[in-house]
Amino acid sequence: KQEVTQIPAALSVPEGENLVLNCSFTDSAIYNLQWFRQDPGKGLTSLLLIQSSQREQTSGRLNASLDKSSGRSTLYIAASQPGDSATYLCAAFHNTDKLIFGTGTRLQVFP
Amino acid sequence: ETGVTQSPTHLIKTRGQQVTLRCSSQSGHNTVSWYQQALGQGPQFIFQYYREEENGRGNFPPRFSGLQFPNYSSELNVNALELDDSALYLCASSPDGETQYFGPGTRLLVL
Repeated sequence: KQEVTQIPAALSVPEGENLVLNCSFTDSAIYNLQWFRQDPGKGLTSLLLIQSSQREQTSGRLNASLDKSSGRSTLYIAASQPGDSATYLCAAFHNTDKLIFGTGTRLQVFP
Repeated sequence: ETGVTQSPTHLIKTRGQQVTLRCSSQSGHNTVSWYQQALGQGPQFIFQYYREEENGRGNFPPRFSGLQFPNYSSELNVNALELDDSALYLCASSPDGETQYFGPGTRLLVL
């Protein structure tokens, strides 16, 4: 049974810092790994999707890496801004066609 | 904007009642999935529909049921509501079975 864990659960940083969010999964038989952003009380916004054959994906200030053999993914946010404040969720996608989510990292970036 | 809409945005019900939540996805998105997100948790997979047939189910009792219609809309029905059913309910549609586009969610409160 796939379990997805995210560390840290919460993070508070000053504006401008580079930061790393961690995601680990127990079953390496995944199709892809996805990172989402969720603002309070809102739905999910897809940030990055890494196929199982890929090592990383980049979008603007965001970079996500995937290491299937070790069951880990990281989301790197460069030059953080207050607008980055949100909960970040990673999810592993399986051949059962469902996403298995972690519990998220709640990020606060203060000016 | 993901092109996925959900209604209603908020709903209050009492224990034992029944509720129907609705989702409308983009044309061509043949797969729709429903997730339950309790406060402070990651979303949990309820079930998925592909071309109007159930195509996978998570660990939820039969009182959670769904329908998918030819016009790319879908419903989540929950009977005999319990207090623990209070959560944010998210639907996600997909054109290819992998890339998931989430709606804004329906927040259900059961009293």
